[in-house]
Amino acid sequence: AQTVTQSQPEMSVQEAETVTLSCTYDTSESDYYLFWYKQPPSRQMILVIRQEAYKQQNATENRFSVNFQKAAKSFSLKISDSQLGDAAMYFCAYRSAWLGDDKIIFGKGTRLHILP
Amino acid sequence: KAGVTQTPRYLIKTRGQQVTLSCSPISGHRSVSWYQQTPGQGLQFLFEYFSETQRNKGNFPGRFSGRQFSNSRSEMNVSTLELGDSALYLCASSLGMGQGTDTQYFGPGTRLTVL
Repeated sequence: AQTVTQSQPEMSVQEAETVTLSCTYDTSESDYYLFWYKQPPSRQMILVIRQEAYKQQNATENRFSVNFQKAAKSFSLKISDSQLGDAAMYFCAYRSAWLGDDKIIFGKGTRLHILP
Repeated sequence: KAGVTQTPRYLIKTRGQQVTLSCSPISGHRSVSWYQQTPGQGLQFLFEYFSETQRNKGNFPGRFSGRQFSNSRSEMNVSTLELGDSALYLCASSLGMGQGTDTQYFGPGTRLTVL
């Protein structure tokens, strides 16, 4: 069974600084997708960034980028120029590439605080 | 395009009762997944429906059930409620075709409190 581990329950960063959230996962599959989701206090889960395992290039979305290390099964999220609106719970997530297996496996989450 | 909607947003029930939650996916999406979110267990997958058929199921007791209608709307039902069923129930919709770009979009959730 696949597992996702986030070892940092909470983190704080100064506004405008850079922060990296860690995530490791375990799977025996060779093809899969990884995601970072953001859940602000409003509770609406929002996709931040996704990475296909077969792609070597790290995904980027504006101020958000990932460091995907497939051999180490590591998938960290870097947030540059942190903004107050980035304060939220961040979930690392895994999804198999098997057609018909749409379930997402989430980590326990990292609560990110932005200090003004 | 309208997002995923869930009704009701809040529910209070007592132990032993049953409850039905509803999820309307984004237009054109055929897959609906349900998740339970609690402070202790985090986000756990309940089940997924695709084209009116349950395609995946998580490790929850049979008291948790669901169904999907021809318009892709989905309902989940919890019978004989227990205190531990208190949680935020999230549904997510997607095209369901298994592509990496096939994003799951989440609804705002239904907060269920069991007294």
